[in-house]
Amino acid sequence: ETGVTQSPTHLIKTRGQQVTLRCSSQSGHNTVSWYQQALGQGPQFIFQYYREEENGRGNFPPRFSGLQFPNYSSELNVNALELDDSALYLCASSAGVWEQYFGPGTRLTVT
Amino acid sequence: AQRVTQPEKLLSVFKGAPVELKCNYSYSGSPELFWYVQYSRQRLQLLLRHISRESIKGFTADLNKGETSFHLKKPFAQEEDSAMYYCALGEGGTSYGKLTFGQGTILTVHP
Repeated sequence: ETGVTQSPTHLIKTRGQQVTLRCSSQSGHNTVSWYQQALGQGPQFIFQYYREEENGRGNFPPRFSGLQFPNYSSELNVNALELDDSALYLCASSAGVWEQYFGPGTRLTVT
Repeated sequence: AQRVTQPEKLLSVFKGAPVELKCNYSYSGSPELFWYVQYSRQRLQLLLRHISRESIKGFTADLNKGETSFHLKKPFAQEEDSAMYYCALGEGGTSYGKLTFGQGTILTVHP
């Protein structure tokens, strides 16, 4: 059984640019959630996708958007990057809602 | 608004001593509560879910709705328990699927 994978591992972008982060869910999981984890903080919920539809959203602006594909993999897109977007971005997949299995994360640095 | 508070950023105990990691929550609905753990250089993983009432790796957690607490306990700490521990609250309604995390407690078990 393959776990949740994320790409890339690290990324450096300039303020104002756009970024796409990718997540492959664990086999058999149809739900993907995205979280942002700033240094020294717990993860913060961005949104959740279930069967290609956004199923719930946290307190993030519309420049944070996502997609889920028929194979249940997912993308997180962030437009007009700001310095405060520098963080670890975590993807988690689940077969139901709650037992979420996390990926290793993508470290995004905005300069 | 929903909130999860872990009052201790750092907790140190000696091997064999009891350990209690505190978690308090604020939520108007019926909460789903979890403990997640992150060992050094590993990904975030689910340790306990309150409704399962299981003991995992010797850890237990009891939901106290009166005190709005979900403290994690282990009677005899082991060195391999050293890790970052996060308490998380699952929401329903329009934020269904959202996990709200506390800031985490770093547990260090000394030999």
